[in-house]
Amino acid sequence: EDQVTQSPEALRLQEGESSSLNCSYTVSGLRGLFWYRQDPGKGPEFLFTLYSAGEEKEKERLKATLTKKESFLHITAPKPEDSATYLCAVRLHGSGNTGKLIFGQGTTLQVKP
Amino acid sequence: SQTIHQWPATLVQPVGSPLSLECTVEGTSNPNLYWYRQAAGRGLQLLFYSVGIGQISSEVPQNLSASRPQDRQFILSSKKLLLSDSGFYLCAWAGGNTIYFGEGSWLTVV
Repeated sequence: EDQVTQSPEALRLQEGESSSLNCSYTVSGLRGLFWYRQDPGKGPEFLFTLYSAGEEKEKERLKATLTKKESFLHITAPKPEDSATYLCAVRLHGSGNTGKLIFGQGTTLQVKP
Repeated sequence: SQTIHQWPATLVQPVGSPLSLECTVEGTSNPNLYWYRQAAGRGLQLLFYSVGIGQISSEVPQNLSASRPQDRQFILSSKKLLLSDSGFYLCAWAGGNTIYFGEGSWLTVV
């Protein structure tokens, strides 16, 4: 069964304390891995798409990396405004449709000043 | 630029009542549209998708239905709500290889 698992479920950091969020996947064939940020009561906001092992993408304090089994979202020197839930999702080969994604349950990040 | 609108943002409905959630997309034509649900403590789950007017595919059996009466309009409906239909409903559209979400509709069935 295709599955996406995120860890930890919750993460509390002090401002400036770097860390990483993990997204591991067991899928029949990966056609893209997505990271989203979701603020409470809001829709997910697109961050990155990764397509192949070894690929990396950066945006401000965030860097996403991809291996054949997992992806990491590295947060460098986080600020309180980085507090949110971070969602990971995968698109499968043969899904036949761009928007059919399988999501993990998310990691809720809290950054304290 | 493309934008996606959902309404209502919040609603509280009694068990057995009907439901209609609306989604419209601006700034693009013939988009692929999607309805996802996010239940408490669970990840987003794809409910329906549509690749064109009148074309609906269902991903999971449920008490809900979807319709696409116009190119940029996607509607999620139910004839009789169940308690288990409570959740956060998100409309999304596919732009290139990326999926963009609306602001969501919170549904509480009481």
